[in-house]
Amino acid sequence: EVQLVESGGGLVQPGGSLRLSCAASGFTFSSSEMDWVRQAPGKGLEWVSYMSPTGNNIYYADSVAGRFTISRDNARNSLYLQMNSLRAEDTAVYYCARDRGPAATDFWGQGTQVTVSS
Amino acid sequence: DIQMTQSPSTLSASVGDRVTITCRASQSISSWLAWYQQKPGKAPKLLIYKVSTLESGVPSRFSGSGSGTEFTLTISSLQPDDFATYYCQQYTDYRSFGQGTKVEIK
Repeated sequence: EVQLVESGGGLVQPGGSLRLSCAASGFTFSSSEMDWVRQAPGKGLEWVSYMSPTGNNIYYADSVAGRFTISRDNARNSLYLQMNSLRAEDTAVYYCARDRGPAATDFWGQGTQVTVSS
Repeated sequence: DIQMTQSPSTLSASVGDRVTITCRASQSISSWLAWYQQKPGKAPKLLIYKVSTLESGVPSRFSGSGSGTEFTLTISSLQPDDFATYYCQQYTDYRSFGQGTKVEIK
């Protein structure tokens, strides 16, 4: 069974940092493209970042470029999102998701809540 | 960046209705278009990818069509489980989503 379990969310002050983790199981993580997607309260989905299986290709949304860093540890079947210089507008549920490339993003975790507030 | 625009933002319909949601891209995305369904408090669920390919396990009342910049998701006969919010996503140039279409009970 495919599973993605996010962790690391919480309450942080503006300007602070947070590191999200995503533990993957039930599929070959080391061969899988991965995404982070977020959803602000009452709002739609916003793609945040993408990483290829080996990490050779990495992309970010303009809204987080220069502040967020995606990474992975294929030996630990884990995906990460380091978030620095956090702003109130970064408040959202953050999902990690398996990206099948031409066959789109097919599986999502349950999400982890990030709240940026003083 | 490619902008995705869905219409309508909200749609009121009854069980059994045929429902169509439109998604327009700011530039051509070829066939790299997916549709997702999301219910409150839940993660999105992939319905359709590459414009018209039904994801495994998704009922055949869902279908997708279009090319280039204009795409549609059709639900042929709306069922009680289909009341949800639907998002289109392009994945030719990074990824981006439409703003969503909420299908509510009329």
